[in-house]
Amino acid sequence: SAVISQKPSRDICQRGTSLTIQCQVDSQVTMMFWYRQQPGQSLTLIATANQGSEATYESGFVIDKFPISRPNLTFSTLTVSNMSPEDSSIYLCSVPGPTNTGELFFGEGSRLTVL
Amino acid sequence: GQQVMQIPQYQHVQEGEDFTTYCNSSTTLSNIQWYKQRPGGHPVFLIQLVKSGEVKKQKRLTFQFGEAKKNSSLHITATQTTDVGTYFCAARKNGNQFYFGTGTSLTVIP
Repeated sequence: SAVISQKPSRDICQRGTSLTIQCQVDSQVTMMFWYRQQPGQSLTLIATANQGSEATYESGFVIDKFPISRPNLTFSTLTVSNMSPEDSSIYLCSVPGPTNTGELFFGEGSRLTVL
Repeated sequence: GQQVMQIPQYQHVQEGEDFTTYCNSSTTLSNIQWYKQRPGGHPVFLIQLVKSGEVKKQKRLTFQFGEAKKNSSLHITATQTTDVGTYFCAARKNGNQFYFGTGTSLTVIP
């Protein structure tokens, strides 16, 4: 299984500020996924972070709001820009399992509260 | 985008009772996965179903994939307090990208 570390685990942010979430994986992976889970809701895929190319964003998510970096095969960052209270969510980093079964491993999540 | 609905949204059961959550898609699925998320935790993979009509068991958990590959179910026999959490189905979008269902939150009353 993959071990995924996310930082910060939680934060309280002011409206209009930006926060960068880090995701570190203990093995090299081609794709890393960023999900958002709003309070009491399901998981929504924000984007796929590809090493060496721009991230691929899902409908409703744009690079200006959620810029992503993927400098190498074990690390990615997601920035939540110009935050508003509607951005209060858990942000989860995810990677496919090593056995190519499609199983996803998730980080512990970063719980953001925007005041 | 693809919609994957789950029912019920919430379920409260007495410990020892059975529990079932249903996952329904408007389109045919190539496969379906199930995840469990404990309160305050992150989703953890339970199983993947691929074949039409497939049934898999994990101890007290039984997973089923519909014949038309448009629906799936998770049944827990004799629930325990450790079963508490939200159960999500997830349908493959493409590659390793998945749409997650709306989830069923299970509360087990001791």
